[in-house]
Amino acid sequence: DADVTQTPRNRITKTGKRIMLECSQTKGHDRMYWYRQDPGLGLRLIYYSFDVKDINKGEISDGYSVSRQAQAKFSLSLESAIPNQTALYFCATSRQQGERLETQYFGPGTRLLVL
Amino acid sequence: ILNVEQSPQSLHVQEGDSTNFTCSFPSSNFYALHWYRWETAKSPEALFVMTLNGDEKKKGRISATLNTKEGYSYLYIKGSQPEDSATYLCAFMVSTTSGTYKYIFGTGTRLKVLA
Repeated sequence: DADVTQTPRNRITKTGKRIMLECSQTKGHDRMYWYRQDPGLGLRLIYYSFDVKDINKGEISDGYSVSRQAQAKFSLSLESAIPNQTALYFCATSRQQGERLETQYFGPGTRLLVL
Repeated sequence: ILNVEQSPQSLHVQEGDSTNFTCSFPSSNFYALHWYRWETAKSPEALFVMTLNGDEKKKGRISATLNTKEGYSYLYIKGSQPEDSATYLCAFMVSTTSGTYKYIFGTGTRLKVLA
């Protein structure tokens, strides 16, 4: 079983609809992230959470919201989807123990098309 | 605005050739530098995390070096094989004024190894 899972894997929606992308992890990591990837651009951070009570905006949070329901679950919502939110969305997790910094582990991605 | 640049954007090499590419990043507030390997239709997978100036990491035929003073990291692949074909991403971690840190990804170098 994959350590980081995302649902759905693909989604087509219409402008103005509210949708939620879900991410679950079994790695026991405290930190979770949502990124989007657009052609020709690097991964851009939308939101991140260092624990259940900690939510932080990334560089492109406008139009998105998140919920950290549990340590293992981090959901991304588009309250009113618009076409320029069409992208590939990745969830990632990481953990830091003292001075040791662990890398990020990515989910398989959710491909979203907003018509 | 913090920017991470990778060069070249893409390259084709023959099987057996050695190759290298560059990740350039701001040298201030450096925290760590990550390299990821991203195969088509899969999610990014971690290769290396480097934190100290002069760090060198090696995994099989792939190695990386880090120069935090001048703000660059090199990734080397010795004796390229077709299975090395992928996009290689670097991510720069920078500490923030609020005491946290954030990841900034480059756009990647797309490597194609021709048999």
